[in-house]
Amino acid sequence: NAGVTQTPKFQVLKTGQSMTLQCAQDMNHEYMSWYRQDPGMGLRLIHYSVGAGITDQGEVPNGYNVSRSTTEDFPLRLLSAAPSQTSVYFCASSSGQGGGNEQFFGPGTRLTVL
Amino acid sequence: DAKTTQPTSMDCAEGRAANLPCNHSTISGNEYVYWYRQIHSQGPQYIIHGLKNNETNEMASLIITEDRKSSTLILPHATLRDTAVYYCIVRPAYETSGSRLTFGEGTQLTVNP
Repeated sequence: NAGVTQTPKFQVLKTGQSMTLQCAQDMNHEYMSWYRQDPGMGLRLIHYSVGAGITDQGEVPNGYNVSRSTTEDFPLRLLSAAPSQTSVYFCASSSGQGGGNEQFFGPGTRLTVL
Repeated sequence: DAKTTQPTSMDCAEGRAANLPCNHSTISGNEYVYWYRQIHSQGPQYIIHGLKNNETNEMASLIITEDRKSSTLILPHATLRDTAVYYCIVRPAYETSGSRLTFGEGTQLTVNP
C-alpha cells in the first residue's frame, strides 16, 4: 500500500490564483481530513469527510472548498489564494471515527502565496 | 476534547530512555490518549494510544496513571532519529465530527549523541 499520497509537494502561487491540492489513499478508509500547519504551530483542521459525498467544516474552513466523489480521493481547493494561506497542508485518513482509530498522514504540500 | 499540557522541550542522551510526560487532568472516561510525533518537515506519525491500561508496541510504551489524569510516553532506547516534536492528544471514543485530531504545541525532544 502507498498509504496517503499528496501532490504536489511544493507549490508557489500568486495572490488571487486558484489551485487544487490532491490527496489520495489506498486503504479504503472512510474518514479523511485536511489540516494546515503554520510555522512553529500545531495542526489545525480545515475540512473533513466521513465518507463519499459527505463533507463538513473544521476550525479554519474559510477560503477552502472540498468534495469527496470517491472513497479514495479528497481534493482541497483554494478558491483565490491569499498570503495568509501560506502553510504546509497535510491530508489524513482513518478507518473509523473517534478514539481507537489511528490516523495516517500524507507527506504534506508546502504552499507559498506571494 | 480534554486539554493536554506538555513540557515545551526535553533532552535525552542517545541510547537512554526518553520519558515524555503529559497532563490531561480533565480527561473523561471515554477518551483515549494518543501520541503522535512529527519529525521536521514530515507528516505526523502515529506512535501509540491507550484508554486505561498501559500499552506497548514496537516503537514505545504508554503508561497511564490509575486516575487517568496523566500519562508518560517512553522511548526505551532513544536514537538521533527520534528527535522530533511529540504530541499528546486526547480523543473521545465516539465522535460525530469525523476523525479530527486537536494538536497542541507538543514537546520538542532532542536526542543528543
